[in-house]
Amino acid sequence: QQQVKQSPQSLIVQKGGISIINCAYENTAFDYFPWYQQFPGKGPALLIAIRPDVSEKKEGRFTISFNKSAKQFSLHIMDSQPGDSATYFCAASIGNTDKLIFGTGTRLQVFP
Amino acid sequence: EAQVTQNPRYLITVTGKKLTVTCSQNMNHEYMSWYRQDPGLGLRQIYYSMNVEVTDKGDVPEGYKVSRKEKRNFPLILESPSPNQTSLYFCASRQVGRGYGYTFGSGTRLTVV
Repeated sequence: QQQVKQSPQSLIVQKGGISIINCAYENTAFDYFPWYQQFPGKGPALLIAIRPDVSEKKEGRFTISFNKSAKQFSLHIMDSQPGDSATYFCAASIGNTDKLIFGTGTRLQVFP
Repeated sequence: EAQVTQNPRYLITVTGKKLTVTCSQNMNHEYMSWYRQDPGLGLRQIYYSMNVEVTDKGDVPEGYKVSRKEKRNFPLILESPSPNQTSLYFCASRQVGRGYGYTFGSGTRLTVV
């Protein structure tokens, strides 16, 4: 019930391509879905987030698509760049707590 | 500079020897949290705190203690460390409000032998 399942585990994309990372959840009490980006040797940093009353959120080249009925959400990185090479984590939390459940992470490598 | 500071960055210890990892934030954030990161398992929440003197268990609290006596500090205590607590630990803090993400520290790599 508390899990967030993330796929793929790793992803290799050519520069300029689209990177897509998928997450699925079971607990319908989750009401906030952030994505974090982590570079080697650093802590994760918030990239973009969405609430379940919205089906899509876009910030620059990063877009979250959210499918409430399927309990799935995904991160799309358009025009992927070598500087996007990092590990990406989806996460989910429940409103009146600060409990945050992370997916297992996707290592993205963007080659020139 | 706004930041979350963890100490030490690296620590090697022996089984059963009590240790404390300190965490301090200078952003006046209400919420603080501890995570451990393990390969293939992602980040798992150990404890979180939504206010001074208020702490709650995350997903993997066994073997850990925390305290929040001041707003800025949130130490993680391992009373009797075991090898399965070898991991990369992150402290994080954030403002109240759903749109605010966590600011993470740089991590503490702990090895228990």
